[in-house]
Amino acid sequence: GAVVSQHPSWVICKSGTSVKIECRSLDFQATTMFWYRQFPKQSLMLMATSNEGSKATYEQGVEKDKFLINHASLTLSTLTVTSAHPEDSSFYICSAPRGGSNTEAFFGQGTRLTVV
Amino acid sequence: QKEVEQDPGPLSVPEGAIVSLNCTYSNSAFQYFMWYRQYSRKGPELLMYTYSSGNKEDGRFTAQVDKSSKYISLFIRDSQPSDSATYLCAMSARGRDDKIIFGKGTRLHILP
Repeated sequence: GAVVSQHPSWVICKSGTSVKIECRSLDFQATTMFWYRQFPKQSLMLMATSNEGSKATYEQGVEKDKFLINHASLTLSTLTVTSAHPEDSSFYICSAPRGGSNTEAFFGQGTRLTVV
Repeated sequence: QKEVEQDPGPLSVPEGAIVSLNCTYSNSAFQYFMWYRQYSRKGPELLMYTYSSGNKEDGRFTAQVDKSSKYISLFIRDSQPSDSATYLCAMSARGRDDKIIFGKGTRLHILP
């Protein structure tokens, strides 16, 4: 079964609204989680590293004020897309390494966001 | 030059054939090499990972890493229609808590 659960699996929202995506590790604790974005037929691009109890680390070019990340517990990280626009429409995926090694990272099911 | 290059395909092979998927990379610091399988509109699923050079086998899957050539491969034996998916190579330098760099993925179709 899934060890990382992501919710919702798809969401449609109006331009200008905010959307929250949850990522939970189900049977292990994750002090670090990763958030990716994937456009059609493109690779996964790392957006940010979510750290439990501290600020997230954002990749170059990713707006921290637009993509708010909160890692409030050892099993939950959330990504909030604020003031969403159609260009934010994408597939968002989280991952969490189990056992402290990112070589055994488990991914959530992904969230398909469509902004209309 | 991109850090990780992977032919996007699509690659179509008949059922039962041996499939060869490949990636090249430019960063010699990479030491951890992974292969993920991703079905349409799903998150990636880790298939195998290898540390440094060498081979690793798991059932019908074999991963090979040649660090001298900066070239990695995934072989699938006795391919099945259920193997049809996108296969992503990925790699990192330090492993623990290190960011993973993904290839674009190769779309594979196994024809019944």
